[in-house]
Amino acid sequence: DTGVSQDPRHKITKRGQNVTFRCDPISEHNRLYWYRQTLGQGPEFLTYFQNEAQLEKSRLLSDRFSAERPKGSFSTLEIQRTEQGDSAMYLCASSHPPTTVGNQPQHFGDGTRLSIL
Amino acid sequence: DAKTTQPPSMDCAEGRAANLPCNHSTISGNEYVYWYRQIHSQGPQYIIHGLKNNETNEMASLIITEDRKSSTLILPHATLRDTAVYYCIVREGHGQGAQKLVFGQGTRLTINP
Repeated sequence: DTGVSQDPRHKITKRGQNVTFRCDPISEHNRLYWYRQTLGQGPEFLTYFQNEAQLEKSRLLSDRFSAERPKGSFSTLEIQRTEQGDSAMYLCASSHPPTTVGNQPQHFGDGTRLSIL
Repeated sequence: DAKTTQPPSMDCAEGRAANLPCNHSTISGNEYVYWYRQIHSQGPQYIIHGLKNNETNEMASLIITEDRKSSTLILPHATLRDTAVYYCIVREGHGQGAQKLVFGQGTRLTINP
């Protein structure tokens, strides 16, 4: 399978603990995106990378959240001091860089479902 | 906020064409219409996108009105596996602000046997 891979698929943790998720994008894609999806809602944008540079962060990404993509390949999303409201599906997507005709479609992984007890 | 309006739910019989409407009356000239779908417990799946011409691929057809204020996604022969939430998204073609996809509530399509 050459799609976007996310690990773990499910994470259950106690409030106050730190968690880290990993995303492996499609290998030739240099853009990587993180989204969050709560129950019954569409995904919401968190941040994106072009290679190793983090180019945009949403206001949803509080200072407890940090995302990295150190070598421009896989990415990690860490949440420190988790809160009940962090319970959600965390989705990763990747895409080719834009061409002369514009931005390219983003392809999503199946997400990491986080449950805070 | 999402720039599109979709019906919250639709039903379609298996084997028939499913036509999913989307209104995007404030779309601007450099914005594309994208369609994704999300099957339960999976990530969104890219279906198709277009600017002003109608588009077709192996999954679906996208019909965009001449004024570009609305579009229709057509699944020509719906199967039970097409049951999903379908999202219509307007996205800039170029520019820094074009990177994020802004999802609305989508249309929950149920294919009935």
